[in-house]
Amino acid sequence: DADVTQTPRNRITKTGKRIMLECSQTKGHDRMYWYRQDPGLGLRLIYYSFDVKDINKGEISDGYSVSRQAQAKFSLSLESAIPNQTALYFCATEDSWSSYNEQFFGPGTRLTVL
Amino acid sequence: GQQVMQIPQYQHVQEGEDFTTYCNSSTTLSNIQWYKQRPGGHPVFLIQLVKSGEVKKQKRLTFQFGEAKKNSSLHITATQTTDVGTYFCAGPLTGGGNKLTFGTGTQLKVEL
Repeated sequence: DADVTQTPRNRITKTGKRIMLECSQTKGHDRMYWYRQDPGLGLRLIYYSFDVKDINKGEISDGYSVSRQAQAKFSLSLESAIPNQTALYFCATEDSWSSYNEQFFGPGTRLTVL
Repeated sequence: GQQVMQIPQYQHVQEGEDFTTYCNSSTTLSNIQWYKQRPGGHPVFLIQLVKSGEVKKQKRLTFQFGEAKKNSSLHITATQTTDVGTYFCAGPLTGGGNKLTFGTGTQLKVEL
C-alpha cells in the first residue's frame, strides 16, 4: 500500500555500522509493527507499538531498537549491524478500532550486512 | 520459537490443479488471518476467520478455521498463474496479547 512507506528500499552496509530504517504511514492507524522476513521462517516480529508512548519487544528484539516519533512514524535501528541481520524488513500498521485486525504492510527494505 | 507452522513449505502445481496449505498452531487462536505475498512484494491481507469451524469463500479460494481453533486451511480450486506467491496464516496466540504470530508460509508455484 502506498499509504505505508519505507525508506530506504535497499541498503548495503558493513558490519558494525549503525543503520536506521524508517516507516511512515498516512492511514491514521494507531498500531505499528516491525518484522523481518527470512526464507523458510516467515515473518518474525521485532518490535511493536500500540500508540506513541507504547513500545514492546517482539520475538526477536535483540540487536534492534525502535522509536515511535509520532503516530505516523516508527523507526527501526540496528546499533551495530552484523551479517545475520541481513534480511527483508517490513513495517506494518493496524487500526485497533477496525472490526478486522488486518495489518497493512509497507513495501519492505532489503538490508545486506557485509 | 515458531509456534505457528504451515505445510507444505513449497508446492509446485500445474495450472488447473487444486492446492491446499495447512496451518497449525501450538495454542488456540482467537482468530486466524491469511495473507498473500507475491514474488518481490509485500504481504497483503486476504481474510479473517473468527468462529470455530468457520468456512469462508472468495471465488476459487476456500478458507476454513478448525473446530478447536488451532488449525486452519486455505484451498485453491483450479489454480491460475495469478495465484503464484507465498501464503501466510497468522493469529494472536493465547497469552500473547493482540500481536500476530505468522506461520512459516507456503510458497506456491504454478506451471503452465
